[in-house]
Amino acid sequence: NAGVTQTPKFQVLKTGQSMTLQCAQDMNHEYMSWYRQDPGMGLRLIHYSVGAGITDQGEVPNGYNVSRSTTEDFPLRLLSAAPSQTSVYFCASRGGGNQPQHFGDGTRLSIL
Amino acid sequence: AQSVTQLDSQVPVFEEAPVELRCNYSSSVSVYLFWYVQYPNQGLQLLLKYLSGSTLVESINGFEAEFNKSQTSFHLRKPSVHISDTAEYFCAVRTNAGGTSYGKLTFGQGTILTVHP
Repeated sequence: NAGVTQTPKFQVLKTGQSMTLQCAQDMNHEYMSWYRQDPGMGLRLIHYSVGAGITDQGEVPNGYNVSRSTTEDFPLRLLSAAPSQTSVYFCASRGGGNQPQHFGDGTRLSIL
Repeated sequence: AQSVTQLDSQVPVFEEAPVELRCNYSSSVSVYLFWYVQYPNQGLQLLLKYLSGSTLVESINGFEAEFNKSQTSFHLRKPSVHISDTAEYFCAVRTNAGGTSYGKLTFGQGTILTVHP
């Protein structure tokens, strides 16, 4: 069972570059989310989706875009990378009702 | 809005000692409660969850947590820790949202548990 798959696992970017973090799940989950993890701050919600074609902003959405064209995929785009976006990014998915979230292994992103 | 406070950022203990990791939450509606564990350089794994029913929930590796509605707490306990329990632990709360509402998951700041030999 693949679960939630994130690519790449590591990435180094220069300030101003753009890139897309990929997330795919094979559990037919309706809900998908992107979080960033920074030391001492837990995980903070960037964007989320309640189904294909539906996305909304979370707690820290600035500088990031998302789209959900299929149930399986939920890519996160950095439009113009900034050093403040250096972080570990986690994608998560869950089914409806009281189902818990399943997390990917994360993408470690460094912006120079 | 909901929030989660983990009262200790770091908890050092010796092997075979008991441990309690504290978590308090605030929410104006009913919630689901979770504990996740993150081992070094890995993603988050669900440790245990409270959805409804019995207020005491247990994991397969000896951890337990008790939902206390009056104190809005969900503390994590283990009577005897092992070296392998060294990890960061996150408490999280999600509103018991119905229909197509997202039910945002809010995390605490995390507690680093370090078990010493």
